[in-house]
Amino acid sequence: SSELTQDPAVSVALGQTVRITCQGDSLRSYYASWYQQKPGQAPVLVIYGKNNRPSGIPDRFSGSSSGNTASLTITGAQAEDEADYYCNSRDSSGNHLGVFGGGTKLTVL
Amino acid sequence: QVQLQQWGAGLLKPSETLSLTCAVYGGSFSGYYWSWIRQPPGKGLEWIGEINHSGSTNYNPSLKSRVTISVDTSKNQFSLKLSSVTAADTAVYYCARGRSITIFGVVSYYMDVWGKGTTVTVSS
Repeated sequence: SSELTQDPAVSVALGQTVRITCQGDSLRSYYASWYQQKPGQAPVLVIYGKNNRPSGIPDRFSGSSSGNTASLTITGAQAEDEADYYCNSRDSSGNHLGVFGGGTKLTVL
Repeated sequence: QVQLQQWGAGLLKPSETLSLTCAVYGGSFSGYYWSWIRQPPGKGLEWIGEINHSGSTNYNPSLKSRVTISVDTSKNQFSLKLSSVTAADTAVYYCARGRSITIFGVVSYYMDVWGKGTTVTVSS
């Protein structure tokens, strides 16, 4: 079982804003990182740290955190944003183990 | 631009040992966590473990008894071995570069470069 909990599926109308959340005790001590994965492809890092985007990631992607919950927000969702999104962090054991959320399937309507 | 190239056997029989290698091109090998992640068909990502340039490892407790991750700094490569495989180990296996930085006193752990993945099937 995952120590990071995500909603299995979320949908958004084209051009609207959507928030994908990730909950876990370890998020009180660690920032979450977020990955986008399209079918048949490797995951791509889209957000890390407090709210940092790697080079090449559109600025419609943003991250935030409060308590034990991290959020990935897509402002003005595009058709190409339809994908699976995973959050990731260290776990809460203090043993520097990695953990992923179960993933959220984003559908752009 | 750092790139990870991975390779290894794609078809195994039950009880055999999975062996994958990932080569790092275009960047430093030190200062990072060199990681393995897998994804069973139709399922989510699972963190397998990591190693740093000095050979210190962390493993997923659910796989720890069967996993060995090693590093060859002379070749800028790291490897995964998973023993006694079963059908449950059928998955796409990814290598990735992990980083850990502290921002305003909070640790950010993330994987910023990924290999393309290797499909491993375990079948008799």
